[in-house]
Amino acid sequence: SALPQPASVSASPGQSITISCTGTSSDIGASNYVSWYQQHPGKAPKIIIYGVSNRPSGVSSRFSGSKSGNTASLTISGLQPEDEADYYCTSHIPNSPYLFGTGTSVTVL
Amino acid sequence: QVQLVQSGAEVKKPGASVKVSCKGSGFRVTDYIVQWVRQAPGQRPEWMGWIFDGSGDAVISQEFQGRVTITRDTSANTVYMEVSSLRPEDTAVYYCARERHGDAWFDPWGQGTLVTVSS
Repeated sequence: SALPQPASVSASPGQSITISCTGTSSDIGASNYVSWYQQHPGKAPKIIIYGVSNRPSGVSSRFSGSKSGNTASLTISGLQPEDEADYYCTSHIPNSPYLFGTGTSVTVL
Repeated sequence: QVQLVQSGAEVKKPGASVKVSCKGSGFRVTDYIVQWVRQAPGQRPEWMGWIFDGSGDAVISQEFQGRVTITRDTSANTVYMEVSSLRPEDTAVYYCARERHGDAWFDPWGQGTLVTVSS
């Protein structure tokens, strides 16, 4: 099964957006292993957030992650044209399958 | 430079098998978990399974059990993922990705291998 995300989000450059990833008490609610990936057309996904709110080295501080209850969120602040991409959340519980979100297409107007 | 380099695109007929390779560069595949994820056209990624760093044992998603095998050749620093009994709905880009044991996030990813299943 997949974790529901909004299909699309759009905003103007410089604005902030938040993408939600809704799970249950058995996946996101029970997991410290929530990650977010950015995927540009024709490219492999790229990690931007791991462990709910951590940024790998080299990822812009404009990306931030959080979790409240069964919902994880990705916020992109100061939206830039290069942020236009698809975004996927994932959740993992040890000894269980990795779950991917349904994906959100971000459009920079 | 740490990277994963996958084999080229494949076209297969229904019922056939395909074996995709994923060669590690800049690190040893025996030091990391290697994950496999596929993505059908216009769809979300779908986790398929992984091969453990130390033991080389594989864990396959229930959805693919019986049809997917993940192996490795340590001398070639390469991991392989084979799908048998291919169906048209298996048409997808297949990715390998590296995970440091216990981190549960994937980085880097291979460039992807398009497998097309068509009669």
